Amino acid sequence: DTEVTQTPKHLVMGMTNKKSLKCEQHMGHRAMYWYKQKAKKPPELMFVYSYEKLSINESVPSRFSPECPNSSLLNLHLHALQPEDSALYLCASSQGPGTATDTQYFGPGTRLTVL
Amino acid sequence: SQQGEEDPQALSIQEGENATMNCSYKTSINNLQWYRQNSGRGLVHLILIRSNEREKHSGRLRVTLDTSKKSSSLLITASRAADTASYFCATGPSGAGSYQLTFGKGTKLSVIP
Repeated sequence: DTEVTQTPKHLVMGMTNKKSLKCEQHMGHRAMYWYKQKAKKPPELMFVYSYEKLSINESVPSRFSPECPNSSLLNLHLHALQPEDSALYLCASSQGPGTATDTQYFGPGTRLTVL
Repeated sequence: SQQGEEDPQALSIQEGENATMNCSYKTSINNLQWYRQNSGRGLVHLILIRSNEREKHSGRLRVTLDTSKKSSSLLITASRAADTASYFCATGPSGAGSYQLTFGKGTKLSVIP
């Protein structure tokens, strides 16, 4: 099973709302990632979790709060977002550090619109 | 900043023709990977080439890597309409955990039936 699932597929929220994006994988991967992708742009790395610990935070605003409850799940909590945060949010997983060639497997993404 | 730069930004070809996309990068790498993304969807891993490899094949895909020029190319032979997508190169840095990828700007390929 090489599938990464993400829910919801689409999300519309107001600037005062609190919502969460969810990501799940059952490949035994120990690294999980959140990316943000604007239209016609490449994915931009937001966070990396390695062995359930946050290892990389690419200077992401605090209105985005990641959480890794266990090795299979990754959440992204959203609060007080701005319209410019509207984007496709992609989750990915990989075997993790210590592997020589680490392929990332991506989920289908959550299309987020902030009104 | 983005590591990879794809060239061309957009490419339109007839079905059955070959498509070639190029990628340049700036720093030393452990590996270089190519991904495909259909419109508004997740990325699909296509092929990975290690820094000590020069060429790799997978089905209709051929990837080359020239570390002296810091460049790579992706060739899709006998293209099909289903190959229409955006293609990104991504580099894994050397000297660190190779799990952190940096994506290039991408090439948008359109294959006309």
